[in-house]
Amino acid sequence: AQSVAQPEDQVNVAEGNPLTVKCTYSVSGNPYLFWYVQYPNRGLQFLLKYITGDNLVKGSYGFEAEFNKSQTSFHLKKPSALVSDSALYFCAVRSPDNFNKFYFGSGTKLNVKP
Amino acid sequence: NAGVTQTPKFQVLKTGQSMTLQCAQDMNHEYMSWYRQDPGMGLRLIHYSVGAGITDQGEVPNGYNVSRSTTEDFPLRLLSAAPSQTSVYFCASSPNRGSSYEQYFGPGTRLTVT
Repeated sequence: AQSVAQPEDQVNVAEGNPLTVKCTYSVSGNPYLFWYVQYPNRGLQFLLKYITGDNLVKGSYGFEAEFNKSQTSFHLKKPSALVSDSALYFCAVRSPDNFNKFYFGSGTKLNVKP
Repeated sequence: NAGVTQTPKFQVLKTGQSMTLQCAQDMNHEYMSWYRQDPGMGLRLIHYSVGAGITDQGEVPNGYNVSRSTTEDFPLRLLSAAPSQTSVYFCASSPNRGSSYEQYFGPGTRLTVT
């Protein structure tokens, strides 16, 4: 069965410090991996994706993510956090067995304190 | 482009009532989907469609019906609302020319069933 795990319900970081939001996945075959961000009372916005190629992918708002096949992880990172980065972050995988199904993690709330 | 639109934004139903959540997109996307978002559970796929006249079930389809008569519209019908269907519902769309495409989300409908 395909699944995505976000082991941290919440991540707290001080403004200016680097941040990491963790994601691990379980799929058969090569995954297509995505990160989305959700601000309060809003829909999800796409941040970045890994399809193939370079394991470090760069996305919107200075975010990047590193694909690690051996650890089945796709952690979201940013070198210097902003207060405005505070939001709910979702990792998602598109199933190689059925490209019509996306599987989402449970979400991680990022709190960036001034 | 308006992107993905959803109506209504909020709805309160009594147990046993029926209603339709509307979703429309103006990007000519073949793929459309419905998710429900519950605290601590991320997004779960209810139904999806890969084109007009073609729909299929996701993870949690029970109690919901869909149809796709046009490329633009993908309504979600609750046949007999139950308190367990209290949730935030999101519609999403994407091109279906390849599995590397991300989804675009609507702003959501917050449904309460009493």
